[in-house]
Amino acid sequence: NAGVTQTPKFQVLKTGQSMTLQCAQDMNHEYMSWYRQDPGMGLRLIHYSVGAGITDQGEVPNGYNVSRSTTEDFPLRLLSAAPSQTSVYFCASTFSGGGNYEQYFGPGTRLTVT
Amino acid sequence: DAKTTQPNSMESNEEEPVHLPCNHSTISGTDYIHWYRQLPSQGPEYVIHGLTSNVNNRMASLAIAEDRKSSTLILHRATLRDAAVYYCILRAHGAGNKLTFGGGTRVLVKP
Repeated sequence: NAGVTQTPKFQVLKTGQSMTLQCAQDMNHEYMSWYRQDPGMGLRLIHYSVGAGITDQGEVPNGYNVSRSTTEDFPLRLLSAAPSQTSVYFCASTFSGGGNYEQYFGPGTRLTVT
Repeated sequence: DAKTTQPNSMESNEEEPVHLPCNHSTISGTDYIHWYRQLPSQGPEYVIHGLTSNVNNRMASLAIAEDRKSSTLILHRATLRDAAVYYCILRAHGAGNKLTFGGGTRVLVKP
């Protein structure tokens, strides 16, 4: 298993540009989520999905869109990048139900918005 | 989610045990205690979780106080690879899979 994969590893955007961060998992997990981590801070939840076709907002959803058309993929779209979105983005996945399954995190995408 | 309090940082010598405390005085009866760690430039990884009884796995042990208001993650023999930020997280049973990360404890392992 490749686990959770994220692309790209690094990205630099100009203010106002849009882009999509890719996340894929091959463990047949129903639950997937996106977090952002600012320097020296813990992770904060952006959006999550409990299965294909179902998404919901986390703690900091503004400026981001998600969709879940397949179990494997959960892309995160930045509609109009702002410097405040400079951060490291992590995708995670796990089995749904109960909340006490191990969550698997991807290696992260480091995004800089100038 | 109920709040947890952890020291900002701890130091340990290689091959010695490390005891990482976590206070969670407002924990409710259905909250599970989870630990994740984040190595430098990597995503978090699961370490261990428990409810009331002490738990052991290949990575660590989790000691839970009888009143559940605190817990301790124990790394039995620290290696340089254990240098990371360790997060103590409370998860309400049935509350889904959302994780609320605090600041964590940064562990430095000295050779």
